[in-house]
Amino acid sequence: KNEVEQSPQNLTAQEGEFITINCSYSVGISALHWLQQHPGGGIVSLFMLSSGKKKHGRLIATINIQEKHSSLHITASHPRDSAVYICAVRSGATNKLIFGTGTLLAVQP
Amino acid sequence: ETGVTQTPRHLVMGMTNKKSLKCEQHLGHNAMYWYKQSAKKPLELMFVYSLEERVENNSVPSRFSPECPNSSHLFLHLHTLQPEDSALYLCASSHNRVNTGELFFGEGSRLTVL
Repeated sequence: KNEVEQSPQNLTAQEGEFITINCSYSVGISALHWLQQHPGGGIVSLFMLSSGKKKHGRLIATINIQEKHSSLHITASHPRDSAVYICAVRSGATNKLIFGTGTLLAVQP
Repeated sequence: ETGVTQTPRHLVMGMTNKKSLKCEQHLGHNAMYWYKQSAKKPLELMFVYSLEERVENNSVPSRFSPECPNSSHLFLHLHTLQPEDSALYLCASSHNRVNTGELFFGEGSRLTVL
């Protein structure tokens, strides 16, 4: 079992829908990252958070440290949001980043 | 434009070839990383450099040889690779100390080994 689990693995949505991607982890962490990877391959950092909630445009990331769980929400989804969304946690013990396998999101017009 | 540039973007090579991947960062960062991304698998950290010094080598086969001539450039030299080495190789950098803060990734070099 991976130390970082994401759900769902694949998600198809209609344009305008509210989207939630979940990340659960089993280790103590100092921070959690949400990353976006477009089909070309490049990865962009969306959020780095260690508590509470962060918002950037239509994207919202939340984390519950006690429950070892984070969610990434996309409001008013658009086809350009289609990408792989990757959750990664920085281990509090080793300081290393541990990555999930990603959630493939397709937003249809 | 992420500030981290990788070349080539695509590479096809035979098992007996020698090739190199190049990464350049324009962000003034001190730490640079090589990651491997295979289909359906999480990113795997290969090497970490801090101020041109290798600080981490995650049990990577010797057919992969990194080089960091200065804090802005990172290379991955490839020789006698295997088909299972086909993957997306991603370079990343971070501002200051290794394994802290936000990572900035390049677009990746997609490698196919025939």
